[in-house]
Amino acid sequence: GAGVSQSPSNKVTEKGKDVELRCDPISGHTALYWYRQSLGQGLEFLIYFQGNSAPDKSGLPSDRFSAERTGGSVSTLTIQRTQQEDSAVYLCASSHGSGNTGELFFGEGSRLTVL
Amino acid sequence: AQSVTQLGSHVSVSEGALVLLRCNYSSSVPPYLFWYVQYPNQGLQLLLKYTSAATLVKGINGFEAEFKKSETSFHLTKPSAHMSDAAEYFCAVSDPWGLTGGGNKLTFGTGTQLKVEL
Repeated sequence: GAGVSQSPSNKVTEKGKDVELRCDPISGHTALYWYRQSLGQGLEFLIYFQGNSAPDKSGLPSDRFSAERTGGSVSTLTIQRTQQEDSAVYLCASSHGSGNTGELFFGEGSRLTVL
Repeated sequence: AQSVTQLGSHVSVSEGALVLLRCNYSSSVPPYLFWYVQYPNQGLQLLLKYTSAATLVKGINGFEAEFKKSETSFHLTKPSAHMSDAAEYFCAVSDPWGLTGGGNKLTFGTGTQLKVEL
């Protein structure tokens, strides 16, 4: 597709289960970002990929969170042993080049609800 | 470290009135600054960006913002609000020089929800 695609768009899970969220960036975009959007909290940076490597993973809130990117394209964000505080919208964005000087293109997000 | 403060989590204006959304930044290096808009159930899209050229930046949908270094501000304005402007607006800052050790990420504010009333 032409834009950033995220799946699933909605995910409801039980506390303690693992979840995987997928991001398909715009073709050719080398930079990929994951952000978390919680009510009243704005956008919280999680991790940044340049190609397949993650030079900045400083925003991952705990070791239950991990992410990978393969083939310089698709990225997966995995949350293990989910907790209720993980409930949020997880946004993926991609950019041509390094990202911080240009425009980020965002997907519509994956809304995670942990019961 | 860089940060952004958006004053007012909710702003309400009448249709046709001036829109003013406030953003103040903190950065130890000359920053790049951005305004993004998020319509309901959609991802964020770029409204405009300041990249150290002209201090008055014009964006899409009639919005503009002025970079004021002395006030560390980057407020977003639109002369006449339209119902379609109702959305959440995010200000963001980045370090394009790679000097702050913050990587290549944009740091966002907490957002301002704009409501436009008839």
